[in-house]
Amino acid sequence: DGGITQSPKYLFRKEGQNVTLSCEQNLNHDAMYWYRQDPGQGLRLIYYSQIVNDFQKGDIAEGYSVSREKKESFPLTVTSAQKNPTAFYLCASSIVGARAIIYGYTFGSGTRLTVV
Amino acid sequence: AQKVTQAQTEISVVEKEDVTLDCVYETRDTTYYLFWYKQPPSGELVFLIRRNSFDEQNEISGRYSWNFQKSTSSFNFTITASQVVDSAVYFCALSEISGGSYIPTFGRGTSLIVHP
Repeated sequence: DGGITQSPKYLFRKEGQNVTLSCEQNLNHDAMYWYRQDPGQGLRLIYYSQIVNDFQKGDIAEGYSVSREKKESFPLTVTSAQKNPTAFYLCASSIVGARAIIYGYTFGSGTRLTVV
Repeated sequence: AQKVTQAQTEISVVEKEDVTLDCVYETRDTTYYLFWYKQPPSGELVFLIRRNSFDEQNEISGRYSWNFQKSTSSFNFTITASQVVDSAVYFCALSEISGGSYIPTFGRGTSLIVHP
C-alpha cells in the first residue's frame, strides 16, 4: 500500500543536539512538506519541496534544515538553533501544482520530538 | 495574506448530540479552496472535504454536513448524532490559487471530545 512513513514515532533529544526526522513516501509524489504542530497552534509550514534538489522555506524555517536528494525522501533536521523544538512534526506529500488541491495531500502519522 | 480562524479550542459533547465546528477565513483571492481534516489520536490527518470558492452548495455525507457561506467567509462543519469515534482534532484549511504554491494554511484546530 502506498503511503508516508515517518520515523521514529517518538524522539528525545538533549538540548544543544541536532536531530533528524525521517519522512519517506512511495506515492510517487513530487511535492513534500514538513509541518510543525503545537497545542492550540495548528499546523505551521516549516519547509516544502516541489522537486528533487530544491526546497523552499515555509513560515517557520528558522532552526530547521532539509534536504531532497531523492524523490521519495525528505528528512528534516532540527538544529540546536531551534529555540523551542519540542513539538509534533508532520510530513505530507502531494502531486505538484494546483492539481494537489484536487488530488489531495497525504500525511504521515507524525513524530513527537521532546527536548530533555 | 490568508488566515483561517477556528475560534473553538475544545468542544465537549455527549454521544448523540449534534455539534458544529466553526471556521472563518480571510482571503483576497476570488479563487480558493477550503478543506476540513480530521486528526484522530493516531496523529495522521484524514481528509474529509474540499470545497472551491465558486461552489456554495451545502454538502452532506452521512452524519457530516458542511455549510459554506461566502457572505460571511465561513465554512462550518456539523456532525449529527455524534459518536465516541468522532473524538479527534478537526482542522479547517484554506488554499489560494494565486502565488503558485497552493499550499494550505491551517487553522489552529478544534478538539472534539465525545463522551459516551
